Amino acid sequence: GESVGLHLPTLSVQEGDNSIINCAYSNSASDYFIWYKQESGKGPQFIIDIRSNMDKRQGQRVTVLLNKTVKHLSLQIAATQPGDSAVYFCAENGVEGTYKYIFGTGTRLKVLA
Amino acid sequence: KAGVTQTPRYLIKTRGQQVTLSCSPISGHRSVSWYQQTPGQGLQFLFEYFSETQRNKGNFPGRFSGRQFSNSRSEMNVSTLELGDSALYLCASSLAGVEQYFGPGTRLTVT
Repeated sequence: GESVGLHLPTLSVQEGDNSIINCAYSNSASDYFIWYKQESGKGPQFIIDIRSNMDKRQGQRVTVLLNKTVKHLSLQIAATQPGDSAVYFCAENGVEGTYKYIFGTGTRLKVLA
Repeated sequence: KAGVTQTPRYLIKTRGQQVTLSCSPISGHRSVSWYQQTPGQGLQFLFEYFSETQRNKGNFPGRFSGRQFSNSRSEMNVSTLELGDSALYLCASSLAGVEQYFGPGTRLTVT
């Protein structure tokens, strides 16, 4: 997208395959995490969230995994479709109980037909 | 339900000027957060307002300010614009801070 970094890590997947996007978060005090999708020319779109008292949460075609031990989040997209092509960001709330979100640098997902 | 709206969508200003951006949250949402997005720095948190009070603040200079009105609409102001303020400014609304929904952004270009 026009507002997103030009040198983002890129994940290319075949249409129909599963995608896994990873994110290392920065603050062990964070207790709430969100995944966003940003398409070119648009604002980020909420995909799924997870609280630190969970290690897995599933949505429609998406699953978020949280590993607090290594401060790692992942977003799994099942049966990736061309419409999934976008930049994906993880965000953490930074400090327990607050909403001062810290965003990751983002990963560009390219779906190959 | 209407989404988050931001006005204007595009703006060109000159160094030294000031600018005011507007955000109308989703109906019923009381929290509004502002972010700056640039290719170099990514998405950075500016501030969050809840029920007309600034609840959280990011690490931006005092030239960046905001406010929220009783109907939850919010404005942010940048004074004495610098070239580095060129960015996409995003507003996000939520009921209380979690599950934020973003608007399309205002693209500010400072010349």
